[in-house]
Amino acid sequence: GAVVSQHPSWVICKSGTSVKIECRSLDFQATTMFWYRQFPKQSLMLMATSNEGSKATYEQGVEKDKFLINHASLTLSTLTVTSAHPEDSSFYICSASKRETSPNEQFFGPGTRLTVL
Amino acid sequence: KQEVTQIPAALSVPEGENLVLNCSFTDSAIYNLQWFRQDPGKGLTSLLLIQSSQREQTSGRLNASLDKSSGRSTLYIAASQPGDSATYLCAVPQGGSEKLVFGKGTKLTVNP
Repeated sequence: GAVVSQHPSWVICKSGTSVKIECRSLDFQATTMFWYRQFPKQSLMLMATSNEGSKATYEQGVEKDKFLINHASLTLSTLTVTSAHPEDSSFYICSASKRETSPNEQFFGPGTRLTVL
Repeated sequence: KQEVTQIPAALSVPEGENLVLNCSFTDSAIYNLQWFRQDPGKGLTSLLLIQSSQREQTSGRLNASLDKSSGRSTLYIAASQPGDSATYLCAVPQGGSEKLVFGKGTKLTVNP
């Protein structure tokens, strides 16, 4: 199998606080993990790509100091939304790829709904 | 830059009907294409992955085709059921990278 989990599944926080979202590959080692954001009625937009032990690569327009990504092991990546504001409210989804499968086949987590009040 | 378009944006059909969802992409230099299903408020479930060397892939009542030269893919759903109601997304790689570019999806409603 190729199961990816996310925690928490939803979170509500006050403006100005920081929120950490975890993404875990449960039954495989993920060579690369990806973080996406999805606004209502919009498609998924890639925010950043992370490889274990190295700095994440951010997409154009994504603030790396606001969205901190840590990929400390082959099974865990975290996304921290720092000083969250209402406009950061969104559905955050991670995915992971493993070397032994087809290049670019990504396995997706269930998502985290962030609401910033 | 890769762009993905899905038509129609929404589709409502009676139960039992066969249907086709369309996906087009601007850069045909892809090595695969994936179709996903997304239920409201949920993550993505991978349905089918077609390699660039393949013309189609089948899984149960689903059949996906790929025409790289014309930049098109279709997802055929046979004998639709209410449980098929969801948003269907297609995605292709950006250039030769691992980055996926998604379409906006087709929201399918199958009425009992």
